[in-house]
Amino acid sequence: AQSVTQLGSHVSVSEGALVLLRCNYSSSVPPYLFWYVQYPNQGLQLLLKYTTGATLVKGINGFEAEFKKSETSFHLTKPSAHMSDAAEYFCAVSAYSGAGSYQLTFGKGTKLSVIP
Amino acid sequence: DAGVTQSPTHLIKTRGQQVTLRCSPKSGHDTVSWYQQALGQGPQFIFQYYEEEERQRGNFPDRFSGHQFPNYSSELNVNALLLGDSALYLCASSFWGVGYTFGSGTRLTVV
Repeated sequence: AQSVTQLGSHVSVSEGALVLLRCNYSSSVPPYLFWYVQYPNQGLQLLLKYTTGATLVKGINGFEAEFKKSETSFHLTKPSAHMSDAAEYFCAVSAYSGAGSYQLTFGKGTKLSVIP
Repeated sequence: DAGVTQSPTHLIKTRGQQVTLRCSPKSGHDTVSWYQQALGQGPQFIFQYYEEEERQRGNFPDRFSGHQFPNYSSELNVNALLLGDSALYLCASSFWGVGYTFGSGTRLTVV
């Protein structure tokens, strides 16, 4: 079984400041890791994903995340926040659970507010 | 290339009624997973369908059931609706657990 912990249910940053959203995971098998963004009354949009290879992953809208196996972390960063980044962000893990089956498990989410 | 399509987008039901939600997966995807997202919460896994069979199930009661058709589309059925079933229901299609694509969801309100 796998699980995801997102530290901080609500993060506020000033426009132009660094965005750092924290995610730690637990998985008994090598995981695939994802960050999704959700705007109000909308579905989930994929920001970026880690599958294999390079541990620093670049996504859309200037976001990136680094897979650190030793720390079981996959924190999301953006050098300079923009007002349009205000949304809810979900970290998720997908791990193989046998018989060709994967399951995607989400954290509880972090709501990002950007202060002008 | 169409992504994941869910219908309807919104609906309102009365306690005790039954509801059916529909999902058409992204082209090339053969697996459909359903999630329930209560207000202010992360999506919770309901179940996953592959080759027309339920392959995995989360911690949801038997009132929640589903079906997958030969064209990979899927339905989620909820019987005996409770107020607590009010949520956004998300469908995700995938292929081998790597590329999940989500629909925009169905907002269910139980009154």
